[in-house]
Amino acid sequence: AQKVTQAQTEISVVEKEDVTLDCVYETRDTTYYLFWYKQPPSGELVFLIRRNSFDEQNEISGRYSWNFQKSTSSFNFTITASQVVDSAVYFCALTFNAGGTSYGKLTFGQGTILTVHP
Amino acid sequence: DTGVSQDPRHKITKRGQNVTFRCDPISEHNRLYWYRQTLGQGPEFLTYFQNEAQLEKSRLLSDRFSAERPKGSFSTLEIQRTEQGDSAMYLCASSFLSETQYFGPGTRLLVL
Repeated sequence: AQKVTQAQTEISVVEKEDVTLDCVYETRDTTYYLFWYKQPPSGELVFLIRRNSFDEQNEISGRYSWNFQKSTSSFNFTITASQVVDSAVYFCALTFNAGGTSYGKLTFGQGTILTVHP
Repeated sequence: DTGVSQDPRHKITKRGQNVTFRCDPISEHNRLYWYRQTLGQGPEFLTYFQNEAQLEKSRLLSDRFSAERPKGSFSTLEIQRTEQGDSAMYLCASSFLSETQYFGPGTRLLVL
């Protein structure tokens, strides 16, 4: 079975602090994709990044960076110099190749509530 | 390029009533997904379509739930005989084949 665990339920930081959101996943598949989505108070899930299981290169996009380590089944997300607008719920998700059919449903973690105080 | 849209955004109904939600995907996307999200939880998969075909349904989708995508464009999700446990946010997403899923704003359902 596939599972995504986000152990941090809530994180609170002060603006300009760096913050790392943890994500640990379980899957028996060798080919899979990992994602991060942001859900601001408005409720809409906003796509941030997609990474396939064969690409372990870290990625940086502005203040955001992602660290993928297959050895520990982790896909962590760091926000550098956090801002109040980063306050949201962040979800890590996984999709896999189910029995030869192409990737379909996403399996989400429970989310981490990030609050950035001014 | 418009995103995924959902209608209505909010719905309040009494227990036992039927409700129907609509989702319009991004125009060039051939896959459409429905998820349910309860308070404090991540979204849970309900079902998905590729064009008109419903390719997978979750065990969460009881007999009271039915989804359609008759012309491979918009989709509807109907809940019959609503129960208080159906109160949740219903999210729709679309993608081109197995590419990234993009989500709509959701329909928030409250069953009294």
